[in-house]
Amino acid sequence: QQKVQQSPESLTVSEGAMASLNCTFSDGTSDNFRWYRQHSGKGLEMLVSIFSDGEKEEGRFTAHLNRASLHVSLHIREPQPSDSAVYLCAVSEATGGNNKLTFGQGTVLSVIP
Amino acid sequence: NAGVIQTPRHKVTGKGQEATLWCEPISGHSAVFWYRQTIVQGLEFLTYFRNQAPIDDSGMPKERFSAQMPNQSHSTLKIQSTQPQDSAVYLCASSWIQNTLYFGAGTRLSVL
Repeated sequence: QQKVQQSPESLTVSEGAMASLNCTFSDGTSDNFRWYRQHSGKGLEMLVSIFSDGEKEEGRFTAHLNRASLHVSLHIREPQPSDSAVYLCAVSEATGGNNKLTFGQGTVLSVIP
Repeated sequence: NAGVIQTPRHKVTGKGQEATLWCEPISGHSAVFWYRQTIVQGLEFLTYFRNQAPIDDSGMPKERFSAQMPNQSHSTLKIQSTQPQDSAVYLCASSWIQNTLYFGAGTRLSVL
């Protein structure tokens, strides 16, 4: 069974400084890795989805995947206070459809002006 | 497009009562998922439907929980004899097959 762990639990950065979040998983055979964010009291918003080793950029959000290291990271360029939210790493199941997801516990990001 | 609509947004029940949560997926989406979110366990998969048929309910507690999708415009999650440990945010999501999953805002269930 897939296990997903995120670090750090919380992160505070200044507006404009790069924010880096980490996620490790136990089963590298999954075909899809995603980052979501959740503002307080809101639903989940998908930021970036990556299928292959390497880098995937979506606006200010860049994901890096290294299956051999069982690691995927998210880098947020020039974060704004409005980016303050919980960031969730999600890994799809290797079989049964790639929208059946296992989530990490989340990283609480605070961006201070 | 109103997105995935979940009602009610908040539900309070007494221990032992029944709770029914409602989800309206995005029109045209063929897959509907239910997840549960708690502080202790985080986000957990419960069940999903494809073209209204139940495909995988491996995350559903075997007793008291049931989900249905009687037509393509709504799905329900029913919890019988609710217990305090059922208190959580229940999230519904929909997608076209193998495509981006869109989440609703969730229903917060509080069992007193």
